[in-house]
Amino acid sequence: DAGVTQSPTHLIKTRGQQVTLRCSPKSGHDTVSWYQQALGQGPQFIFQYYEEEERQRGNFPDRFSGHQFPNYSSELNVNALLLGDSALYLCASSLDYSIEQYFGPGTRLTVT
Amino acid sequence: AQSVTQLDSQVPVFEEAPVELRCNYSSSVSVYLFWYVQYPNQGLQLLLKYLSGSTLVESINGFEAEFNKSQTSFHLRKPSVHISDTAEYFCAVSEGYSTLTFGKGTMLLVSP
Repeated sequence: DAGVTQSPTHLIKTRGQQVTLRCSPKSGHDTVSWYQQALGQGPQFIFQYYEEEERQRGNFPDRFSGHQFPNYSSELNVNALLLGDSALYLCASSLDYSIEQYFGPGTRLTVT
Repeated sequence: AQSVTQLDSQVPVFEEAPVELRCNYSSSVSVYLFWYVQYPNQGLQLLLKYLSGSTLVESINGFEAEFNKSQTSFHLRKPSVHISDTAEYFCAVSEGYSTLTFGKGTMLLVSP
């Protein structure tokens, strides 16, 4: 049973560019959450998708947007990249009625 | 709003010694509590969780944590650590819908 997978593993972008990160949830899971983990910090909640809709959102600007597809996979898009967007981006999946989340290995984004 | 405080950013300890990693939370409602472990350049792995019932919860690799509602704490303990326990440990709280609020993490450094 495959766990949560994320692509790409690493990414280097320039300020002002746009980036798309991808996540495939654990088999059977229907809910996907995204977190940003800056260096030396704990993960911070960006948003959560369920039934292809954004259900909850953390304190992140509109430059951060997402999408969930019918197969429950998800994308995180960040526009107009800033240096401060450099971080490890973690995807987590869960069942709608479950509290427990399973995390992927993350995508390391570096903005230069 | 919920928050998590991990009082120690780094805890150095010798192999086979006991260790306690401290976690305090604040929330206006009932919460679910978690400890996650992150090894270098990896995602988060769930170590243990408190959802309800017994306030003492255990992991398969010898860690335990006790939920103390009056002190709003969920400290992590292990009676005898191994070199392989060296990692970053994150305490997290959820009020539901599986969105997590994390502490800043505690780096456990085990030396021979």
